[in-house]
Amino acid sequence: DAGITQSPRYKITETGRQVTLMCHQTWSHSYMFWYRQDLGHGLRLIYYSAAADITDKGEVPDGYVVSRSKTENFPLTLESATRSQTSVYFCASSGRDTQYFGPGTRLTVL
Amino acid sequence: SQQGEEDPQALSIQEGENATMNCSYKTSINNLQWYRQNSGRGLVHLILIRSNEREKHSGRLRVTLDTSKKSSSLLITASRAADTASYFCATDPNAGNMLTFGGGTRLMVKP
Repeated sequence: DAGITQSPRYKITETGRQVTLMCHQTWSHSYMFWYRQDLGHGLRLIYYSAAADITDKGEVPDGYVVSRSKTENFPLTLESATRSQTSVYFCASSGRDTQYFGPGTRLTVL
Repeated sequence: SQQGEEDPQALSIQEGENATMNCSYKTSINNLQWYRQNSGRGLVHLILIRSNEREKHSGRLRVTLDTSKKSSSLLITASRAADTASYFCATDPNAGNMLTFGGGTRLMVKP
């Protein structure tokens, strides 16, 4: 199906573990983004990518790593999860002005 | 940091009434966008207004932009229970795909 998908939708992990959140889009959009959404903070940009092999930090990049070897995939890795990274994570893609969001991944770090 | 700030943070109205949400921002923009988020879902783009536009309509949505006051408003006319959601404004300073989102307005429409 066309669109933007995220997996897993829900994830529970423990402090110190590595976690990878996946994002896949079928539009061949150049830009892709990762946001986190916490109560009281709205959406905050973690990382973005303007094209394959081009990534850059957003507002809150610490503790996260991204890669983009293919245009359609933009995985986000928490190398050593912390409780403060408990959040809902949204991936988005953009070909021009507007952004298209995935359904989100709800991550709980115990 | 948030470029856009929505007001009010929460709004409760009856079905059939109009809902108005406001967004203020700090720096110059190329365009301003409004998104809707239903509970537990991703954001969905509603409407985009460019800096040289003052008003734009889409169905029951009306957006205004006042660049001199650095503010925008979203009006939803004849609201329905299905309009219950959070609404976010997002600003784009350079038409470069980068958006900064506000904290959102939670709208509840009671049947």
